[in-house]
Amino acid sequence: GAGVSQSPSNKVTEKGKDVELRCDPISGHTALYWYRQSLGQGLEFLIYFQGNSAPDKSGLPSDRFSAERTGGSVSTLTIQRTQQEDSAVYLCASSLVGAPDSYEQYFGPGTRLTVT
Amino acid sequence: AQRVTQPEKLLSVFKGAPVELKCNYSYSGSPELFWYVQYSRQRLQLLLRHISRESIKGFTADLNKGETSFHLKKPFAQEEDSAMYYCALYTGGFKTIFGAGTRLFVKA
Repeated sequence: GAGVSQSPSNKVTEKGKDVELRCDPISGHTALYWYRQSLGQGLEFLIYFQGNSAPDKSGLPSDRFSAERTGGSVSTLTIQRTQQEDSAVYLCASSLVGAPDSYEQYFGPGTRLTVT
Repeated sequence: AQRVTQPEKLLSVFKGAPVELKCNYSYSGSPELFWYVQYSRQRLQLLLRHISRESIKGFTADLNKGETSFHLKKPFAQEEDSAMYYCALYTGGFKTIFGAGTRLFVKA
């Protein structure tokens, strides 16, 4: 079946503009994660959604970042008033359950964001 | 503090040589550790997890609680092993911490 999809694949924006990044998880996966991948910084956890529970937003770097998940499926990561340090690859992942014994995250192809 | 350290940003070996990608962690609880791999122009994907004690594509990783390490090893590297490798630590609360990654380059 289809894997995790993300759009757009590339986004170039001017400093100060708002951007929206979209993630379509694998159908039936209840858990959804957003990460930021920066050169030399590894994968930085941003936010986690599980079912209908309140999301874990503890990784969001500032209040310019927000995310929502509609209908337990599609998620949108919004970055307001973008800064050059926001330039990175934003990865979305989903998993069937959140327990480690069956834990495997399936990653999307990422959105490369460039802030000029 | 919860932390995953991969000390090598780049590791270059010749085909057929042994390879070891280092990973050290800091965690007060019982660790759940994983290795993820990202091949060129492909998605990040799970390679192996320590609880499964499995060997995938010839790679193995042993959890050493005394040394707080989870190094990834392969006795004979292949060119197709060239990729970015991330060590990851599940910290509970459905959160995973990833290391900075090691780029492995296997030379012919």
